[in-house]
Parts: sequence; structure tokens; C-alpha cells
Amino acid sequence: ETGVTQTPRHLVMGMTNKKSLKCEQHLGHNAMYWYKQSAKKPLELMFVYNFKEQTENNSVPSRFSPECPNSSHLFLHLHTLQPEDSALYLCASSPEIGTGSDEQYFGPGTRLTVT
Amino acid sequence: GQNIDQPTEMTATEGAIVQINCTYQTSGFNGLFWYQQHAGEAPTFLSYNVLDGLEEKGRFSSFLSRSKGYSYLLLKELQMKDSASYLCAVRDSNYQLIWGAGTKLIIKP
Repeated sequence: ETGVTQTPRHLVMGMTNKKSLKCEQHLGHNAMYWYKQSAKKPLELMFVYNFKEQTENNSVPSRFSPECPNSSHLFLHLHTLQPEDSALYLCASSPEIGTGSDEQYFGPGTRLTVT
Repeated sequence: GQNIDQPTEMTATEGAIVQINCTYQTSGFNGLFWYQQHAGEAPTFLSYNVLDGLEEKGRFSSFLSRSKGYSYLLLKELQMKDSASYLCAVRDSNYQLIWGAGTKLIIKP
């Protein structure tokens, strides 16, 4: 595997379900990110981890819970979601926050539908 | 507040040149990025500008004017595969990316 991978690619869940999204990066990066992408809206940064430490939590509802066990893996735990949470969830990684261009590399995303 | 503006949609002809503009107002500035995103796929990095001027990379060039809060992405010799959304993003004083909503570029034969 190369780059950034995400599983599952598609997820349909009811409002009472609990599920988790997984992200793995094979680039040796130290920063990882969760974004939400809704149609015709800017990417919304949800969570940022730098060297496994959470550095940003942009007012995300508590029904979204991140976990970063190591620099290569990132999870997004979901519970009691609302229909408006339906979106594409993108994971990204970058070498290290605050250094050089530090461009972000994105995974293919998980298309989430909440019914 | 922080704001990134770019046109919603543009149309161009195969073989031609197109310029996609981006204006920004952010809390601090630590670089501007352009990404390409094909429908149903992940965004991919195109260019990075932190100093004023033009950065050229093959058929794509990106320009930055920090005093004007302005950038553009120039695509030359357009190909059908260039049909995609182009995302402008500015890294703010906290080193977080602030994203525009993207410009959907449609290439016609």
C-alpha cells in the first residue's frame, strides 16, 4: 500500500448506530487530519494531530470522536449521527506542521450517508 | 472572519489557456496552495506559493500577490483530463489551511 488509505469507502448508517472510519498513511508523516467535505462547500477541518497529539478541534460535535494511536493511523468514531452529517470524510497527512511547504496528501475519502 | 473567494464554475476550450482567480482574507499568512480534485477522488497537490511572484510547473503556473491578497492558477494547453475542481487554500497564522469552495472547470472539445 502506498500513500493514504481510508476504509470503508462507503458507509450507510442509521442515527442510532456506532461506526468507525479508519485512515492509514504510508508516507512517514507526523501530522494527520480529518476533513468534512459537503457539496459546494469548502473543506471543513475537523481534527488535527501532530506527533500523535491533538492540536485542533474546530468546534466539532461530540458525536465525532477522533483517535490517533500512532503517527500512521487515525480513526474517527461516529455515534448518534444526524442526517446533516452525511458527507465525504477525507483524511490527510503531512510531514510536520509548521515546516516548509508541508503539503497535505489526501486519502480517497469515506462517503457517509446517515439515514 | 477568514474568507477565500474563487469562482464557482468556469468553462474553457481544449488547447486554450484559463486563469482561475482566488482572493483571500485570513488571520495571518503562511503560504497559499492550489489543489486539483477530480469528481469522486481525493484532492491532489498542485502548487505552493509563499513569496510574491510566479511559480511555473509544466503546463500549470501559480501567481501570488500578498499585498493584494490575490492568487491565480494558470493552466495552459488545456486537455480534457484537466476537467476537475480547483481548490485554493491559505495557511493561516496557526498553520491551518483555510479552504475556498473550489472552482469547477469544464473543458469543451
